[in-house]
Amino acid sequence: GAVVSQHPSRVICKSGTSVKIECRSLDFQATTMFWYRQFPKQSLMLMATSNEGSKATYEQGVEKDKFLINHASLTLSTLTVTSAHPEDSSFYICSARIGGAGGWATQYFGPGTRLLVL
Amino acid sequence: ILNVEQSPQSLHVQEGDSTNFTCSFPSSNFYALHWYRWETAKSPEALFVMTLNGDEKKKGRISATLNTKEGYSYLYIKGSQPEDSATYLCAFHTGNQFYFGTGTSLTVIP
Repeated sequence: GAVVSQHPSRVICKSGTSVKIECRSLDFQATTMFWYRQFPKQSLMLMATSNEGSKATYEQGVEKDKFLINHASLTLSTLTVTSAHPEDSSFYICSARIGGAGGWATQYFGPGTRLLVL
Repeated sequence: ILNVEQSPQSLHVQEGDSTNFTCSFPSSNFYALHWYRWETAKSPEALFVMTLNGDEKKKGRISATLNTKEGYSYLYIKGSQPEDSATYLCAFHTGNQFYFGTGTSLTVIP
């Protein structure tokens, strides 16, 4: 149980185009999902917290107009990188939390999306 | 941004060897410490959630200990097997947010 899928696994796009990444919880409902970004040799950095039915909460330094997050259902959150530029090339990974916000809560991750902007 | 450090960055061991690596984290604002196992092209897999100082958790040949007062956790693998090859991530949970280390990449040589 607790499987999270992410699509696509990798995408190459031209500078200026928009890219949508989907994150789905397959066998459970997730009121809260998280979006992370990882640059080479660095740790996963939280970009935003996606809450079903409400606006996402963005971390400091993350442009909400550039990284649009929609969490329209209990099993799907999407991240859209708008007008992508080469500096947006990175590894993007989502997770869904089970167990509320307590210390014992665990995040279940998707397999990630490798984005390359040419 | 809180600093979570993992060491070593990578290591290679022979099949059958036992190994261990470290996760260091701030000793304040501690809520929980999570360990994940991350194989290439797959999703990170949750191994342990540790919340109390002195906690020891075990799952097969893998075990972990926690010292919240000095801010470190050890992950041990006994009798390493090739299928243990993966990146092992720790995450420091403040109650509001997870802060990840950069991981330890383990390669077990048959």
